[in-house]
Amino acid sequence: DQQVKQNSPSLSVQEGRISILNCDYTNSMFDYFLWYKKYPAEGPTFLISISSIKDKNEDGRFTVFLNKSAKHLSLHIVPSQPGDSAVYFCAAGDTGTASKLTFGTGTRLQVTL
Amino acid sequence: DAGITQSPRHKVTETGTPVTLRCHQTENHRYMYWYRQDPGHGLRLIHYSYGVKDTDKGEVSDGYSVSRSKTEDFLLTLESATSSQTSVYFCAIGDSNQPQHFGDGTRLSIL
Repeated sequence: DQQVKQNSPSLSVQEGRISILNCDYTNSMFDYFLWYKKYPAEGPTFLISISSIKDKNEDGRFTVFLNKSAKHLSLHIVPSQPGDSAVYFCAAGDTGTASKLTFGTGTRLQVTL
Repeated sequence: DAGITQSPRHKVTETGTPVTLRCHQTENHRYMYWYRQDPGHGLRLIHYSYGVKDTDKGEVSDGYSVSRSKTEDFLLTLESATSSQTSVYFCAIGDSNQPQHFGDGTRLSIL
Protein backbone atom coordinates (compact mmCIF):
# COMPACT_ATOMS: atom_id res chain seq x y z
CA ASP A 1 0.00 0.00 0.00
CA GLN A 2 1.81 3.06 -1.31
CA GLN A 3 0.95 5.89 1.08
CA VAL A 4 3.01 8.45 -0.85
CA LYS A 5 2.82 8.39 -4.64
CA GLN A 6 4.77 10.15 -7.34
CA ASN A 7 2.98 9.14 -10.49
CA SER A 8 5.44 10.66 -12.96
CA PRO A 9 8.66 8.65 -13.09
CA SER A 10 10.32 11.27 -15.27
CA LEU A 11 9.98 14.86 -16.44
CA SER A 12 11.91 16.85 -19.03
CA VAL A 13 11.94 20.66 -18.93
CA GLN A 14 13.86 23.30 -20.84
CA GLU A 15 16.34 25.49 -19.02
CA GLY A 16 14.69 28.67 -17.74
CA ARG A 17 11.18 27.20 -17.70
CA ILE A 18 9.18 26.05 -14.70
CA SER A 19 9.45 22.48 -13.42
CA ILE A 20 6.45 21.13 -11.52
CA LEU A 21 6.78 17.87 -9.63
CA ASN A 22 3.73 16.30 -8.06
CA CYS A 23 3.08 14.05 -5.10
CA ASP A 24 -0.09 12.51 -3.63
CA TYR A 25 -0.57 10.93 -0.23
CA THR A 26 -3.28 8.84 1.36
CA ASN A 27 -2.56 8.91 5.10
CA SER A 28 -4.43 11.77 6.74
CA MET A 29 -2.13 11.52 9.79
CA PHE A 30 0.77 12.99 7.81
CA ASP A 31 1.37 16.53 9.01
CA TYR A 32 4.65 17.52 7.48
CA PHE A 33 6.07 17.04 4.03
CA LEU A 34 9.51 17.30 2.50
CA TRP A 35 11.24 17.22 -0.84
CA TYR A 36 14.66 15.68 -1.30
CA LYS A 37 16.95 15.82 -4.31
CA LYS A 38 19.26 12.97 -5.20
CA TYR A 39 22.22 12.84 -7.55
CA PRO A 40 23.68 9.48 -8.68
CA ALA A 41 26.02 7.82 -6.16
CA GLU A 42 25.07 10.33 -3.45
CA GLY A 43 22.58 10.34 -0.62
CA PRO A 44 19.34 12.33 -0.82
CA THR A 45 19.73 16.00 0.08
CA PHE A 46 16.99 17.92 1.87
CA LEU A 47 15.51 20.63 -0.31
CA ILE A 48 12.41 22.16 1.27
CA SER A 49 9.61 21.25 3.67
CA ILE A 50 6.13 22.34 4.61
CA SER A 51 3.97 21.85 7.67
CA SER A 52 0.28 20.99 7.34
CA ILE A 53 -0.62 24.34 8.92
CA LYS A 54 0.67 26.10 5.79
CA ASP A 55 -0.26 25.83 2.14
CA LYS A 56 2.90 27.32 0.65
CA ASN A 57 6.58 27.57 1.48
CA GLU A 58 9.26 29.29 -0.60
CA ASP A 59 13.01 29.08 -0.60
CA GLY A 60 14.67 30.87 -3.47
CA ARG A 61 13.79 29.14 -6.74
CA PHE A 62 11.91 26.39 -4.93
CA THR A 63 8.29 26.58 -3.77
CA VAL A 64 6.24 23.79 -2.26
CA PHE A 65 2.45 23.92 -2.34
CA LEU A 66 0.21 21.80 -0.13
CA ASN A 67 -3.46 21.08 -0.80
CA LYS A 68 -4.65 19.16 2.26
CA SER A 69 -8.18 18.56 1.02
CA ALA A 70 -6.82 16.89 -2.12
CA LYS A 71 -3.92 15.26 -0.23
CA HIS A 72 -1.60 16.66 -2.87
CA LEU A 73 1.63 18.57 -2.84
CA SER A 74 3.80 19.96 -5.59
CA LEU A 75 7.29 21.35 -5.97
CA HIS A 76 7.84 24.25 -8.34
CA ILE A 77 11.32 25.13 -9.55
CA VAL A 78 11.59 28.50 -11.30
CA PRO A 79 13.67 29.02 -13.33
CA SER A 80 14.93 25.49 -13.93
CA GLN A 81 18.69 25.07 -14.34
CA PRO A 82 20.75 22.18 -15.74
CA GLY A 83 22.12 21.53 -12.23
CA ASP A 84 18.58 20.75 -11.11
CA SER A 85 18.69 17.52 -13.12
CA ALA A 86 18.31 14.83 -10.46
CA VAL A 87 15.81 12.47 -8.91
CA TYR A 88 13.34 14.20 -6.60
CA PHE A 89 11.69 12.36 -3.74
CA CYS A 90 8.62 13.50 -1.93
CA ALA A 91 8.37 12.40 1.73
CA ALA A 92 5.69 12.66 4.39
CA GLY A 93 5.74 12.24 8.13
CA ASP A 94 3.66 12.25 11.27
CA THR A 95 5.36 14.36 13.93
CA GLY A 96 4.04 12.03 16.59
CA THR A 97 5.96 8.97 15.36
CA ALA A 98 9.70 9.45 15.93
CA SER A 99 9.97 11.66 12.89
CA LYS A 100 9.68 8.64 10.59
CA LEU A 101 9.23 9.44 6.93
CA THR A 102 7.43 7.65 4.11
CA PHE A 103 8.93 8.30 0.69
CA GLY A 104 7.51 8.32 -2.79
CA THR A 105 9.18 6.44 -5.63
CA GLY A 106 10.83 9.51 -7.07
CA THR A 107 10.66 11.61 -10.25
CA ARG A 108 13.70 11.98 -12.47
CA LEU A 109 13.96 15.59 -13.68
CA GLN A 110 16.00 16.37 -16.76
CA VAL A 111 16.62 20.04 -17.49
CA THR A 112 17.69 20.47 -21.09
CA LEU A 113 19.59 23.36 -22.67
CA ASP B 1 27.21 15.07 4.33
CA ALA B 2 30.34 15.35 6.49
CA GLY B 3 28.39 14.54 9.66
CA ILE B 4 27.37 11.04 8.54
CA THR B 5 29.72 8.29 7.44
CA GLN B 6 28.61 4.94 6.07
CA SER B 7 30.97 1.99 5.80
CA PRO B 8 31.69 0.14 3.69
CA ARG B 9 30.64 2.11 0.62
CA HIS B 10 30.56 -1.01 -1.54
CA LYS B 11 30.37 -4.69 -0.66
CA VAL B 12 29.96 -7.90 -2.61
CA THR B 13 29.21 -11.05 -0.69
CA GLU B 14 27.63 -14.47 -1.07
CA THR B 15 24.21 -15.73 -0.14
CA GLY B 16 24.05 -17.03 3.41
CA THR B 17 26.88 -14.94 4.81
CA PRO B 18 26.37 -12.38 7.59
CA VAL B 19 26.86 -8.72 6.69
CA THR B 20 27.09 -5.67 8.93
CA LEU B 21 26.82 -2.10 7.69
CA ARG B 22 27.88 0.78 9.88
CA CYS B 23 26.56 4.30 10.19
CA HIS B 24 28.55 6.83 12.20
CA GLN B 25 27.41 10.38 13.01
CA THR B 26 29.19 13.33 14.55
CA GLU B 27 26.06 15.49 14.93
CA ASN B 28 24.75 14.04 18.21
CA HIS B 29 21.27 13.59 16.69
CA ARG B 30 18.76 11.52 18.63
CA TYR B 31 17.24 9.60 15.74
CA MET B 32 19.01 7.32 13.29
CA TYR B 33 17.43 5.40 10.42
CA TRP B 34 18.28 2.70 7.92
CA TYR B 35 16.62 2.73 4.49
CA ARG B 36 17.00 0.68 1.36
CA GLN B 37 16.53 2.09 -2.13
CA ASP B 38 15.31 -0.13 -4.93
CA PRO B 39 14.02 0.71 -8.43
CA GLY B 40 10.29 1.34 -8.39
CA HIS B 41 10.15 1.51 -4.60
CA GLY B 42 11.89 4.71 -3.62
CA LEU B 43 13.32 4.69 -0.10
CA ARG B 44 11.86 2.22 2.37
CA LEU B 45 12.51 2.30 6.11
CA ILE B 46 14.11 -0.85 7.52
CA HIS B 47 14.70 0.03 11.18
CA TYR B 48 15.16 3.17 13.19
CA SER B 49 16.51 4.21 16.58
CA TYR B 50 15.22 6.87 18.94
CA GLY B 51 18.07 6.60 21.43
CA VAL B 52 20.85 4.36 22.69
CA LYS B 53 19.56 0.79 22.83
CA ASP B 54 16.10 2.00 21.67
CA THR B 55 15.18 0.67 18.24
CA ASP B 56 12.05 -0.24 16.34
CA LYS B 57 11.01 -1.84 13.08
CA GLY B 58 10.20 -0.04 9.89
CA GLU B 59 8.31 -1.06 6.80
CA VAL B 60 10.72 -3.77 5.53
CA SER B 61 12.45 -5.14 8.63
CA ASP B 62 12.32 -8.89 7.91
CA GLY B 63 15.82 -10.36 7.61
CA TYR B 64 17.48 -7.36 9.25
CA SER B 65 18.53 -6.49 12.78
CA VAL B 66 20.04 -3.32 14.23
CA SER B 67 21.96 -2.19 17.26
CA ARG B 68 22.81 1.16 18.76
CA SER B 69 25.20 0.94 21.68
CA LYS B 70 26.42 4.54 21.37
CA THR B 71 24.71 7.72 20.23
CA GLU B 72 27.03 8.02 17.24
CA ASP B 73 26.84 4.48 15.83
CA PHE B 74 23.95 2.55 14.28
CA LEU B 75 24.66 -0.90 12.87
CA LEU B 76 22.54 -2.81 10.38
CA THR B 77 23.06 -6.58 10.24
CA LEU B 78 21.89 -9.08 7.68
CA GLU B 79 22.18 -12.35 9.62
CA SER B 80 22.12 -14.53 6.50
CA ALA B 81 22.17 -12.47 3.33
CA THR B 82 19.81 -13.31 0.46
CA SER B 83 19.84 -12.06 -3.13
CA SER B 84 16.66 -10.06 -2.46
CA GLN B 85 18.71 -7.92 -0.08
CA THR B 86 20.88 -6.65 -2.91
CA SER B 87 20.22 -2.93 -2.73
CA VAL B 88 21.60 0.48 -1.91
CA TYR B 89 21.39 1.16 1.83
CA PHE B 90 21.16 4.65 3.25
CA CYS B 91 21.58 5.80 6.80
CA ALA B 92 19.88 9.00 7.95
CA ILE B 93 20.00 11.07 11.12
CA GLY B 94 17.56 13.58 12.55
CA ASP B 95 15.93 15.23 15.52
CA SER B 96 12.28 15.94 16.33
CA ASN B 97 10.62 18.09 13.70
CA GLN B 98 13.87 18.45 11.78
CA PRO B 99 14.59 17.13 8.30
CA GLN B 100 16.50 13.91 8.11
CA HIS B 101 19.99 14.07 6.62
CA PHE B 102 21.41 11.18 4.70
CA GLY B 103 24.74 9.49 4.25
CA ASP B 104 26.11 8.66 0.81
CA GLY B 105 24.94 5.06 0.88
CA THR B 106 26.35 1.54 0.77
CA ARG B 107 25.94 -0.45 -2.41
CA LEU B 108 25.51 -4.11 -1.39
CA SER B 109 25.51 -6.95 -3.90
CA ILE B 110 24.66 -10.47 -2.80
CA LEU B 111 25.55 -13.19 -5.28
